[in-house]
Amino acid sequence: DSGVTQTPKHLITATGQRVTLRCSPRSGDLSVYWYQQSLDQGLQFLIQYYNGEERAKGNILERFSAQQFPDLHSELNLSSLELGDSALYFCASSQVAGSPLHFGNGTRLTVT
Amino acid sequence: QQQVKQSPQSLIVQKGGISIINCAYENTAFDYFPWYQQFPGKGPALLIAIRPDVSEKKEGRFTISFNKSAKQFSLHIMDSQPGDSATYFCAASITSGTYKYIFGTGTRLKVLA
Repeated sequence: DSGVTQTPKHLITATGQRVTLRCSPRSGDLSVYWYQQSLDQGLQFLIQYYNGEERAKGNILERFSAQQFPDLHSELNLSSLELGDSALYFCASSQVAGSPLHFGNGTRLTVT
Repeated sequence: QQQVKQSPQSLIVQKGGISIINCAYENTAFDYFPWYQQFPGKGPALLIAIRPDVSEKKEGRFTISFNKSAKQFSLHIMDSQPGDSATYFCAASITSGTYKYIFGTGTRLKVLA
């Protein structure tokens, strides 16, 4: 168990809808990362937060947004969903720069 | 310059054999190179990692070989077991500033019993 908690585990929704994915980092970890993994694909970096502030942005669509709250949990908001957004979304956390990433078990999003 | 190229895409090895997965990078600013193991339905888990000041790191049956001049690193799994069957990702990171991890595209390893 990595200590990173992601909810929900599965999400099925229709095109055009909006969903929120939640991540609770490991105790003591200040950094949260979001990754997208499509079927049989690698891990695409979306965005990173450190202690509530955005630190780095990857290939995150404008329809997607995220934030990290004072209690360090993070939410990834996906709006105007398209079929191609169906994927596994992983959250990872790390203590400080230079420390390993610890991944949650992901949220599987299916857009129908 | 931000890419990490990983090969092969898939690998089948007999039980007891050696599994070798290779990665190459371009950005010389990368200073941390971890390998992650992912089982179906689970998130990736850190397996072993190396920094560029050493050429090799071994943990049990898993060894990372690092070639700084060639900008390449590889994972060797000795005495491969069916339980090692998983997807393996290499990654590279710059441990300062934005501290962004870049992952390879993954290698699906199957170890035959």
